Amino acid sequence: DTEVTQTPKHLVMGMTNKKSLKCEQHMGHRAMYWYKQKAKKPPELMFVYSYEKLSINESVPSRFSPECPNSSLLNLHLHALQPEDSALYLCASSSSGTGYTGELFFGEGSRLTVL
Amino acid sequence: AQTVTQSQPEMSVQEAETVTLSCTYDTSESDYYLFWYKQPPSRQMILVIRQEAYKQQNATENRFSVNFQKAAKSFSLKISDSQLGDAAMYFCAYLYGKLTFGQGTILTVHP
Repeated sequence: DTEVTQTPKHLVMGMTNKKSLKCEQHMGHRAMYWYKQKAKKPPELMFVYSYEKLSINESVPSRFSPECPNSSLLNLHLHALQPEDSALYLCASSSSGTGYTGELFFGEGSRLTVL
Repeated sequence: AQTVTQSQPEMSVQEAETVTLSCTYDTSESDYYLFWYKQPPSRQMILVIRQEAYKQQNATENRFSVNFQKAAKSFSLKISDSQLGDAAMYFCAYLYGKLTFGQGTILTVHP
């Protein structure tokens, strides 16, 4: 059983739609992450929240908007996406706010298809 | 910048045999963490094994063990008694402030 829960598991959206991906963890972790992963490639870091504040934004286009309502929840709001944004979006959490000492625990991912 | 290199894009092994996946990394730090993650077709990234750089002893987890050579910056994963369920993509990862992944190795297990 995964301790990081992501919803939805699959999402299909048009380029004009607005949708959100959600992530939840109940391990008391203080850092949460969004990664984007293309097929047969490693995950690419998008955002890091540490103690509910955005600490890293890896130059992600503004059509992706992260939000951390509380220490257990992480959202990724999607708007005006492009077909090349189709990918697996992984959420992860770690105990350390800096990620220095704690391994990352990943959710199952949300498979996004942009038409 | 830290880099992680997995030189084997694909590997295969017969069930019950042993396979070793290679990983090298580049860093100027002395204290860091290394991981092997497994990603089966079900897609969840699962932590297989972790190694703290300050520890000399190689980590082991049941059938999984590592050969950590700090001076050589090498961190290989050995899977003993391979099982069909071991088939997956394996990522080596380096952690110092930020997790850096290698390109991955696809492991196929033949019955």
